Amino acid sequence: DVVMTQSPLSLPVTLGQPASISCRSSQSLVYSDGNTYLNWFQQRPGQSPRRLIYKVSNRDSGVPDRFSGSGSGTDFTLKISRVEAEDVGLYYCMQGTHWPGTFGQGTKLEIK
Amino acid sequence: EVQLVESGGGLVQRGGSLRLSCAASGFTFSNFWMSWVRQAPGKGLEWVANIKPDGGEKYYVDSVKGRFTISRDNAKNSLYLQMNSLRAEDTAVYYCVRGRGTDYWGQGTLVTVSS
Repeated sequence: DVVMTQSPLSLPVTLGQPASISCRSSQSLVYSDGNTYLNWFQQRPGQSPRRLIYKVSNRDSGVPDRFSGSGSGTDFTLKISRVEAEDVGLYYCMQGTHWPGTFGQGTKLEIK
Repeated sequence: EVQLVESGGGLVQRGGSLRLSCAASGFTFSNFWMSWVRQAPGKGLEWVANIKPDGGEKYYVDSVKGRFTISRDNAKNSLYLQMNSLRAEDTAVYYCVRGRGTDYWGQGTLVTVSS
């Protein structure tokens, strides 16, 4: 299975400051159709995961534009330009290129 | 509005069985791959199984192969997961998830396997 490695696992951030989460895969996530199936999810306390970003850099409907995704091949990044209180929670990357889809360990974002 | 509502979770003894259901609404169910993803208490996410729109292809993570069966009824807009020979390590919240893009998730149903 493809191993997804996130860093850091804990991310204390001051309100209004930027935040960045790295995600690395054990093999390339470029699919035979040319797409890269790398998603980012947010899971607020007590809630189901919510998809934020799909195919590396596409923001889902309703997701604030302070969230952005980038990367290629095996290295990917989720950035929050200015952290707000509602951003507290766990963040997961997930690859859907290779079966089974696999998730990173999760990064816990908290307010400093 | 897309809605996915899971049911069927509960407490079961090791070696027992449970059948989870997911009622889908707000989209054309028969057009989408569907999946089950689980999350053990305080742990990360694990993809369990998925199924093609017509039910003709099914995929399972190795840890559940031979014990779990994913199925669907497009006429009823419903997804199922039959879980047999349950183990303590199957204890988790089970989420019904739409599409290989995993764009919509249900609220989850908790399965607890007692040893």
